[in-house]
Amino acid sequence: DAGVTQSPTHLIKTRGQQVTLRCSPKSGHDTVSWYQQALGQGPQFIFQYYEEEERQRGNFPDRFSGHQFPNYSSELNVNALLLGDSALYLCASSLAGLPGPTDTQYFGPGTRLTVL
Amino acid sequence: DAKTTQPNSMESNEEEPVHLPCNHSTISGTDYIHWYRQLPSQGPEYVIHGLTSNVNNRMASLAIAEDRKSSTLILHRATLRDAAVYYCILRVRGGTSYGKLTFGQGTILTVHP
Repeated sequence: DAGVTQSPTHLIKTRGQQVTLRCSPKSGHDTVSWYQQALGQGPQFIFQYYEEEERQRGNFPDRFSGHQFPNYSSELNVNALLLGDSALYLCASSLAGLPGPTDTQYFGPGTRLTVL
Repeated sequence: DAKTTQPNSMESNEEEPVHLPCNHSTISGTDYIHWYRQLPSQGPEYVIHGLTSNVNNRMASLAIAEDRKSSTLILHRATLRDAAVYYCILRVRGGTSYGKLTFGQGTILTVHP
């Protein structure tokens, strides 16, 4: 079992550009969540996808968008990059047709995005 | 969301027990208490969760106060590999908060050889 995989590992962009990050969930998982982790901070929830739809969203602007594919993999897109978007972007997967507070989320290693 | 309060940092010696506290005085009756940890240069990983009773698994034990306003994660014999940031998280059942994890600052655990 490969676990949650993310690509790329590192990425450098300039202000105003757009970026796409990719995530493959743990085998058998159907739900993908994305988190942003600034240096020295805990991860912050961006949004969650289930059945190819955004099910829940955190306090992030519309510049952050996502997609889930039929094979449950997911993409995170960020438009009009700002310096403050520099962070570690984490993907987490879970098995949760009806998620309850007991479901466990499995995290990938993250993508380190640097915006210059 | 109900909030949690954890010490910024703690230190331990290898092979000694570690007790990591978490206060959650505004916890509601159906909130579960989850612990995740984040090793250096890795994503967070699940450690343990509980509702009312103490819980044990291969990684740790979770002791929950009778009034549920606090809990303690117990590592019975710390190893160097346990050096990580430990997050105490409340998971809300129902409403619009299901699914997401709300991380705080966590506790940085340093383990000395």
